[in-house]
Amino acid sequence: DTEVTQTPKHLVMGMTNKKSLKCEQHMGHRAMYWYKQKAKKPPELMFVYSYEKLSINESVPSRFSPECPNSSLLNLHLHALQPEDSALYLCASSPRGNWRASGSYNEQFFGPGTRLTVL
Amino acid sequence: KQEVTQIPAALSVPEGENLVLNCSFTDSAIYNLQWFRQDPGKGLTSLLLIQSSQREQTSGRLNASLDKSSGRSTLYIAASQPGDSATYLCAVSYNTDKLIFGTGTRLQVFP
Repeated sequence: DTEVTQTPKHLVMGMTNKKSLKCEQHMGHRAMYWYKQKAKKPPELMFVYSYEKLSINESVPSRFSPECPNSSLLNLHLHALQPEDSALYLCASSPRGNWRASGSYNEQFFGPGTRLTVL
Repeated sequence: KQEVTQIPAALSVPEGENLVLNCSFTDSAIYNLQWFRQDPGKGLTSLLLIQSSQREQTSGRLNASLDKSSGRSTLYIAASQPGDSATYLCAVSYNTDKLIFGTGTRLQVFP
């Protein structure tokens, strides 16, 4: 399996709802990432998990809560979002570990994204 | 400040042309550089990764070059096809988990 999968593909939620985004990879990668992307802009990094521990939080509001239950799975829990949070949410993974010597330990592979609309 | 710029912002060409997309970065101490393709509303597809010690990488009709000293990378697309229409993003890494993305080049190849 050489891909990153994300569910759902689309999500519409109200500002009082609680929902979760899910990301999965079975490539044995040990780093996973959440990005937010607005239209015609490059992706913005939100969170990084390295060996199942949160290593980077780019000052993301607490209404976004990441979780990494195991090395293959990454969730993003959403609560009390605002309309401006509507965007494409992308998950990515990278190998880590023994790949460092090859210069590609942090090569990132992206999933197809979840299109989130907050009403 | 570490910044990445891509020129041109948009490009429209007839099928069959050879293309060059440019990526410039302000801090030349990069660890590696990735080129991605993104179709509208979709995720990013990794095209090529060039390590800082490499000068170029090739995959099919794509060739990416890297000149660290001048802070530049180019993506060469040979014999362009309508299916190549997409946004192309370059991203640099400084041996951390953060990728610094360029602003992207929107490519349209018409028949």
